[in-house]
Amino acid sequence: KQEVTQIPAALSVPEGENLVLNCSFTDSAIYNLQWFRQDPGKGLTSLLLIQSSQREQTSGRLNASLDKSSGRSTLYIAASQPGDSATYLCAVRPGYSTLTFGKGTMLLVSP
Amino acid sequence: NAGVTQTPKFQVLKTGQSMTLQCAQDMNHNSMYWYRQDPGMGLRLIYYSASEGTTDKGEVPNGYNVSRLNKREFSLRLESAAPSQTSVYFCASSEGGEAIYGYTFGSGTRLTVV
Repeated sequence: KQEVTQIPAALSVPEGENLVLNCSFTDSAIYNLQWFRQDPGKGLTSLLLIQSSQREQTSGRLNASLDKSSGRSTLYIAASQPGDSATYLCAVRPGYSTLTFGKGTMLLVSP
Repeated sequence: NAGVTQTPKFQVLKTGQSMTLQCAQDMNHNSMYWYRQDPGMGLRLIYYSASEGTTDKGEVPNGYNVSRLNKREFSLRLESAAPSQTSVYFCASSEGGEAIYGYTFGSGTRLTVV
């Protein structure tokens, strides 16, 4: 059974810092990996989708990498802002099946 | 705005009552999903529909039923609600079952069973 782990569970940084969120998965036979953002009491917003054949994807200040063989992905946030405060969820898609989620990293960026 | 719409946004039920959570998407997606989110448990799949006319169980299907009414709509029914079903329910859709597609989520239904 695929398991997804996100470290750290919570992170607090001052505004302006660059930061990295980590995601690991137990079965490397995935088809894609998706990073989501969830604001308190809200739904999930897709940030980046990386196909298994890709190494990274970028959107603005966000960069996600994927190392399928080692079962790892990172989400890099450059020049963090208070508006980046949210929970970040990593999810993998194991084959022709559905997403399996990690439990998320709660990020707080202080002014 | 195009996306996934869930109704209601909030609901309080008494134990044993029934209700249906509604979900509709206007992106012409083929696949739809129901997840529940609980503190410390993350998101877990309840049921999904890979295409119109098909439904399959996910990780936690007990106590729920689903109906894929048409390509746009996928409903989740609680026949006899239990306190253990207190949760936030999310509907999602994707263009197809093929793994190249990402998921789009609705804003959720917050259900409390007392």
